[in-house]
Amino acid sequence: KQEVTQIPAALSVPEGENLVLNCSFTDSAIYNLQWFRQDPGKGLTSLLLIQSSQREQTSGRLNASLDKSSGRSTLYIAASQPGDSATYLCAADPGSARQLTFGSGTQLTVLP
Amino acid sequence: NAGVTQTPKFQVLKTGQSMTLQCAQDMNHNSMYWYRQDPGMGLRLIYYSASEGTTDKGEVPNGYNVSRLNKREFSLRLESAAPSQTSVYFCASSRQGANQPQHFGDGTRLSIL
Repeated sequence: KQEVTQIPAALSVPEGENLVLNCSFTDSAIYNLQWFRQDPGKGLTSLLLIQSSQREQTSGRLNASLDKSSGRSTLYIAASQPGDSATYLCAADPGSARQLTFGSGTQLTVLP
Repeated sequence: NAGVTQTPKFQVLKTGQSMTLQCAQDMNHNSMYWYRQDPGMGLRLIYYSASEGTTDKGEVPNGYNVSRLNKREFSLRLESAAPSQTSVYFCASSRQGANQPQHFGDGTRLSIL
């Protein structure tokens, strides 16, 4: 059974800092790895989706990488802003029936 | 741009009561999903519908039933609510096929006393 882990559970950084969020998964037979953002009291917003054949994806200040062989993905946020404060979740897609396995998330606080 | 709409946003039930959570999407997506989110456990899939007319169990289906009413609507029913079903419930939808991101509603916060 796929297990997805995100460490640390919480992270606090000063504004302007570059930071990396980590995601590890136990089963490398994935179709893609997805990163989501969740604001308090809200649903999840899709940030980036990295297909299994890709090494990374970029959107604005966000860059996500995928290393299937080591079971790891990272989300890099450049020049962090207070508006980036949220919980970031990763999810592994096994490709069958779209049953995503989610990590528990990293709660990010960017201090002004 | 409504996206995925869930109703109600909040609900308190007594043990044994029944309730239906509603979900509708306006993105013409074929696939729809119901998740529950509990502290420290991430999101877990309850049921999903790959296309209109089909539904399948996810990781935690016990105590729930679903209905894919049409392409737009996918409802989740608790027949006899239990305190263990206290959670935040999310509906999501996506295009059919591989590598399609899921789009989520804002959730229903359900407390069962």
